[in-house]
Amino acid sequence: DAKTTQPNSMESNEEEPVHLPCNHSTISGTDYIHWYRQLPSQGPEYVIHGLTSNVNNRMASLAIAEDRKSSTLILHRATLRDAAVYYCILIKNGANSKLTFGKGITLSVRP
Amino acid sequence: DSGVTQTPKHLITATGQRVTLRCSPRSGDLSVYWYQQSLDQGLQFLIQYYNGEERAKGNILERFSAQQFPDLHSELNLSSLELGDSALYFCASSQTGDHRNIQYFGAGTRLSVL
Repeated sequence: DAKTTQPNSMESNEEEPVHLPCNHSTISGTDYIHWYRQLPSQGPEYVIHGLTSNVNNRMASLAIAEDRKSSTLILHRATLRDAAVYYCILIKNGANSKLTFGKGITLSVRP
Repeated sequence: DSGVTQTPKHLITATGQRVTLRCSPRSGDLSVYWYQQSLDQGLQFLIQYYNGEERAKGNILERFSAQQFPDLHSELNLSSLELGDSALYFCASSQTGDHRNIQYFGAGTRLSVL
């Protein structure tokens, strides 16, 4: 299975944009890129996913590199509530959809 | 609120005992997943059921078993408990259980084995 690599932690200021990177250099053509996050003392929650094109939803944007070897989750205006661990996960097309969580990025947001 | 309900929220028990964790998926979701989160291992997939049948297995110990009932709720049974089984256990559900589906997670059951 293709692996993802994320920095251990990042800091941001409230109301500023945050770019969370993920490297997946061994990604295959059928792998979808999913992002989940886990707020303190809660279960993980879905953020966004994509295959090749950039994606936007009410929570965030996902920018996927042209060669698909990396992606960036963009939070347009960080709030204190966005402080969480963010996980970048690859799921293969047609496979069962178990999530393989790595260590994720711990995002801290300064007021 | 994700719509996934897990009970109980907390469970304290002793080594050697057996416990049952319960999960009610979101209305309409046919697939249920179980994950374990511990400090040293992080979040790990245990097992997936789809419409009552086991679909995928992860790092689930032989002392652990699960099932999904006709009403689609699921139970995770943990037996001969050891100190190392202390962890957060999450249940998630999705519509069809394949790569297209978002997984919705419950709030978890915190198990403490003393």
